[in-house]
Amino acid sequence: QSALTQPPSASGSPGQSVTISCTGTSSDVGGYNYVSWYQQHPGKAPKLMIYEVTKRPSGVPDRFSGSKSGNTASLTVSGLQAEDEADYYCSSYAGSYNHWVFGGGTKLTVL
Amino acid sequence: QLQLQESGPGLVKPSETLSLTCTVSGGSISSSSYYWGWIRQPPGKGLEWIGSIYYSGSTYYNPSLKSRVTISVDTSKNQFSLKLSSVTAADTAVYYCARHVVDWDASDIWGQGTVVTVSS
Repeated sequence: QSALTQPPSASGSPGQSVTISCTGTSSDVGGYNYVSWYQQHPGKAPKLMIYEVTKRPSGVPDRFSGSKSGNTASLTVSGLQAEDEADYYCSSYAGSYNHWVFGGGTKLTVL
Repeated sequence: QLQLQESGPGLVKPSETLSLTCTVSGGSISSSSYYWGWIRQPPGKGLEWIGSIYYSGSTYYNPSLKSRVTISVDTSKNQFSLKLSSVTAADTAVYYCARHVVDWDASDIWGQGTVVTVSS
């Protein structure tokens, strides 16, 4: 069982927006602004899409955005494109004992 | 362009020790800006952080694996390594090495991953 809770699936049509949630506790998501999001296509390594809740690494389209409220972080993908279809994982710093935890992943389908 | 490459046996027998090495190319492992970590993904499942190491040798482990994990660094070879002892079928997974940015607390560069199967 993963430390962070994500919905198993999400979907949207091309051009639409979709939001994926990531729920933790005050010991991880709610306690630190170190939530990151990863995109993983089948058979590929994960790719960093968002770090520090809202920031995008160089090269990541601004269609991807992150936010956080309390113990729940969210990833929003706007203007869905076919290539956005992938698995998405959230992660969070979880203190000096657990260090780093992941969510169970969400499969995003572009209809 | 910095790259990471995992290497090691693809098949390990139950109760034995899994050993993997990650070679860093295109940049130095001896930077105060990064940790170097191992993450695994069992077939059809999600990601699990195993542990990380700083170039100085400081280590951080997943509490659920800590008793079986050792991560070490060889700055002269620009490599870091993972040892996981007493493996079972549950340790079958794709094992990734990754660079973890200290200030971001996120992994920005990943290796391609290597499949390790635990079976007799």
